[in-house]
Amino acid sequence: DQQVKQNSPSLSVQEGRISILNCDYTNSMFDYFLWYKKYPAEGPTFLISISSIKDKNEDGRFTVFLNKSAKHLSLHIVPSQPGDSAVYFCAPPSGSARQLTFGSGTQLTVLP
Amino acid sequence: NAGVTQTPKFRVLKTGQSMTLLCAQDMNHEYMYWYRQDPGMGLRLIHYSVGEGTTAKGEVPDGYNVSRLKKQNFLLGLESAAPSQTSVYFCASRRGVYTDTQYFGPGTRLTVL
Repeated sequence: DQQVKQNSPSLSVQEGRISILNCDYTNSMFDYFLWYKKYPAEGPTFLISISSIKDKNEDGRFTVFLNKSAKHLSLHIVPSQPGDSAVYFCAPPSGSARQLTFGSGTQLTVLP
Repeated sequence: NAGVTQTPKFRVLKTGQSMTLLCAQDMNHEYMYWYRQDPGMGLRLIHYSVGEGTTAKGEVPDGYNVSRLKKQNFLLGLESAAPSQTSVYFCASRRGVYTDTQYFGPGTRLTVL
């Protein structure tokens, strides 16, 4: 039973346009959400997070939106750059050790 | 600061062989985690540790053992490797207080023939 779903395995966007990556979850106990970015042959790196008490968090070109009633998050990247090409994971922490539950990821390709 | 480092980067094993993956962090973090990533999937938690001398099972612990004898090191052992353990293994650490952000190592690619 997947608690975190990223239903789009891949997304291609032109440089300068907006990239929108989606994440759905089923566990209403999730109270915090992290987005990680992963390049090939590297470990994931933290990108941005949002608390469940907020509906939006912004950091430069990256904005994450949270719709608790729909159990849905989206990550917006504006403007998209070729260096943003990577796999993006949605990963809420839970449990006593705040271990991360990862979605399957979305491969973003930004075309020059 | 090296952050989180993993040794080795690559390894090929034959079925039934054993090996230990080493994770080291120099950030004085309390929490450490081992994940595996298989093609087309997200990372899944194998084992974790909430402090020196402690370990606990995660989502997919079968076939693995761990030890955290020193705060900075977290070892993942495979006693008798199986082809199903072919994967990329990531270690992560977290400071533990008022933060959920985990910092990941570069990964170990393991192939079991």
